[in-house]
Amino acid sequence: AQKVTQAQTEISVVEKEDVTLDCVYETRDTTYYLFWYKQPPSGELVFLIRRNSFDEQNEISGRYSWNFQKSTSSFNFTITASQVVDSAVYFCALSAPQGYSTLTFGKGTMLLVSP
Amino acid sequence: SQTIHQWPATLVQPVGSPLSLECTVEGTSNPNLYWYRQAAGRGLQLLFYSIGIDQISSEVPQNLSASRPQDRQFILSSKKLLLSDSGFYLCAWRPGKWAGGDSPLHFGNGTRLTVT
Repeated sequence: AQKVTQAQTEISVVEKEDVTLDCVYETRDTTYYLFWYKQPPSGELVFLIRRNSFDEQNEISGRYSWNFQKSTSSFNFTITASQVVDSAVYFCALSAPQGYSTLTFGKGTMLLVSP
Repeated sequence: SQTIHQWPATLVQPVGSPLSLECTVEGTSNPNLYWYRQAAGRGLQLLFYSIGIDQISSEVPQNLSASRPQDRQFILSSKKLLLSDSGFYLCAWRPGKWAGGDSPLHFGNGTRLTVT
């Protein structure tokens, strides 16, 4: 069975601080895919990034960066110089390799960025 | 490009009344379709998923049901709503079974259901 754990329920930071959202996963598959989604207060879920299990290269996109470590089964998300617009709930998710697979989501981390 | 439509955006229904939420996807064929619910606790709970017409899997036994009358249409229903059915319902799609598990889910804007 697959499982995704986001231990941080809520994080509060002040603008311009760096913040890391943790994600730990469990799976028996040797090939799998990891995702991060953002849910702003308006409610829609926005896809941010996908990572393959066989690609441990870290990724940076603007102020966002992702650190994938297979040895610790973690896929952490860092926001550098946070902004108020980053306030949202962030979800980490895991998928098996088959196209008909469902995504297993963590419970989400609510990030509050205050000015 | 592909788009997903979900309606209504908000709904207030009395206990015991029926429910019908509709979701349609445009710009793709044979999508996998999903219904998730997000209760006040914020986590996303998978309710149903479908890999084809009349092929629907239920993840959580409850008084909800799902149907897929057409390839790109997914309907969530209930004959009698309970207070516990209140929540935020999200429809999602990803490319069909011949695609890999690397395809992300694409979500609709959701329906906020309040059962009174």
